[in-house]
Amino acid sequence: GQQLNQSPQSMFIQEGEDVSMNCTSSSIFNTWLWYKQDPGEGPVLLIALYKAGELTSNGRLTAQFGITRKDSFLNISASIPSDVGIYFCAGPPLRGATNKLIFGTGTLLAVQP
Amino acid sequence: EAQVTQNPRYLITVTGKKLTVTCSQNMNHEYMSWYRQDPGLGLRQIYYSMNVEVTDKGDVPEGYKVSRKEKRNFPLILESPSPNQTSLYFCASNGVRGGSGANVLTFGAGSRLTVL
Repeated sequence: GQQLNQSPQSMFIQEGEDVSMNCTSSSIFNTWLWYKQDPGEGPVLLIALYKAGELTSNGRLTAQFGITRKDSFLNISASIPSDVGIYFCAGPPLRGATNKLIFGTGTLLAVQP
Repeated sequence: EAQVTQNPRYLITVTGKKLTVTCSQNMNHEYMSWYRQDPGLGLRQIYYSMNVEVTDKGDVPEGYKVSRKEKRNFPLILESPSPNQTSLYFCASNGVRGGSGANVLTFGAGSRLTVL
């Protein structure tokens, strides 16, 4: 089945630094979603991308839908301690249940004040 | 407040002792699903339901059962839990049938299950 690989697996940074993470697949996706999971909580949607090449921002977060439709990137500028959590990319499979999502392996972000 | 509520949040049990994790949503969503989260594997779908009395297997359904007798509730049942079902479980819902919003899931806070 379709799989999503995220890198890096984890990041330990200082407050104020910029962060970049990416998600790749061997097959195409028509939608890319980025979720964040705070400690002890469920994932919450950050950004949704629906068109190849699309670049979308949400505050300090910027995500891009790769031209090949096989990858996506998430950048966080000027990180703050509340950015701590696990970031997941996700996308619906090309075939199967309409509302299903395939999730990436996650990127753990730790921010030192 | 629109939300998905799971119970219990934490549970430690022993092998073979049947348990149920409840999930309830107050958004009148048709679609509900269960995922499990394991380190290095992300979230994997266990079961899903497109509407009342309509359920189907996800990617990792072995050892689990579900039911959808009412629109708001979607319990996850472990008839005979085993240690490999130790995991963090999430219930999710969505009220959009098709188009771009169909993939925006609302998740519960999670249920951490340990099977000894």
